[in-house]
This record gives sequence, C-alpha cells and structure tokens, in this order.
Amino acid sequence: DQQVKQNSPSLSVQEGRISILNCDYTNSMFDYFLWYKKYPAEGPTFLISISSIKDKNEDGRFTVFLNKSAKHLSLHIVPSQPGDSAVYFCAASRPGFQKLVFGTGTRLLVSP
Amino acid sequence: KAGVTQTPRYLIKTRGQQVTLSCSPISGHRSVSWYQQTPGQGLQFLFEYFSETQRNKGNFPGRFSGRQFSNSRSEMNVSTLELGDSALYLCASSPSGIETQYFGPGTRLLVL
Repeated sequence: DQQVKQNSPSLSVQEGRISILNCDYTNSMFDYFLWYKKYPAEGPTFLISISSIKDKNEDGRFTVFLNKSAKHLSLHIVPSQPGDSAVYFCAASRPGFQKLVFGTGTRLLVSP
Repeated sequence: KAGVTQTPRYLIKTRGQQVTLSCSPISGHRSVSWYQQTPGQGLQFLFEYFSETQRNKGNFPGRFSGRQFSNSRSEMNVSTLELGDSALYLCASSPSGIETQYFGPGTRLLVL
C-alpha cells in the first residue's frame, strides 16, 4: 500500500525554467511533509518541509505547496539549475509515529 | 559538525549469511532511523531508535533487527540473507524525532 505516490518517475526541464515535482498521499492523518534530494552514491539531503497548518513554504528557489483537500503537494524550483539534477523524494509523517513514509522518487534532469 | 557515517559502504554476502551494518549519528542526535532503498520502491522504513529504545518498526520480517547504544550509535542486523535483501541501507539521525532527518551515505549490500 503506497501511501505516498510520485507518479512521474522522471522530469526534464531546461535551465532557467520552472521545475514542478508532484506528490500525492492517501492518508489524511499525515500532518508533516518533507522533500529530499538525492544524488547518486549519497544519502538524501533535506530540502524543505511544510506543516499541514500551512499551504505554502518558501526557501530561496524552492517552494512547497500543500493542498490538503486534494491530498497533494508540489515542489517548485525556480529558476532550475543543472546542479538541481537529482532524484527528489517527498515524504510524510503523522503524529505519534516516529517514521517517514517516502514516495518512490522523481528523477529531475535540468539541461543547460 | 561531522555528518552521519555508515560502515561499511559496500558489502557482498551470500544467501543464508548474516550481516551487521553500523551507523554513527551526528553528535547530539538521539534519534536514529533505518531505511531500505530498492529500485522502484523508494525508501522503506525499517525502524527508529531513541535513547536505546525502538519507538517504531516498519513492515519487515523478523530477520531484520536493530539496536542503539548509549552513545546513540546504532546497528542493524539482517539474518539469513535472501537475494531480495540486496539494497541500499540508509541511516538517518535527528535531534529527537523525525522532524528533519540527516542521512548518511548508505551501505550498499549485494546478496549473491
């Protein structure tokens, strides 16, 4: 039972344009969401998070949007840079459960 | 501050053997989580430890076990290895819970 889904395995974007990565979840108990970036041969690196009491959180070029009614979150990267090329994972957690539930990842390729 | 370290980085074992992986969290972090990453499955939560106590466990068979020591270092053990256990095993630490986890580079296990 995949509670967190990233339906796009890959995404290609040109440098300078916007990258939009999507994530859907099924468990309405999730109240905290995170995005991680992963380069080959490295562990995931935390990017940005959002609590369910917010619908948007920004950090530099990265913005996460949360639509609770649709159980959907997205990560916007503006402007995209070649160094952003990596696999992006969304993750979710629920109160009282000390674990993150990850999606299967989206590979982003930003071309010059 | 030194990051999360995992040893060994690579490991080759044969079916039926057992393996022990080690994780040293960031200094001051008391929560350590373990994940298994396989192609197409994303990161699957194994277990989380805090102050030597397992607080949460994922849906893995009993062959997968772990422990945490008083210095917060953690080990995970897989007994009676199966081919399907071939994966990247990631350890993550955080100060007290899963709010923002910092990942190590992982141990890549190949079972032949």
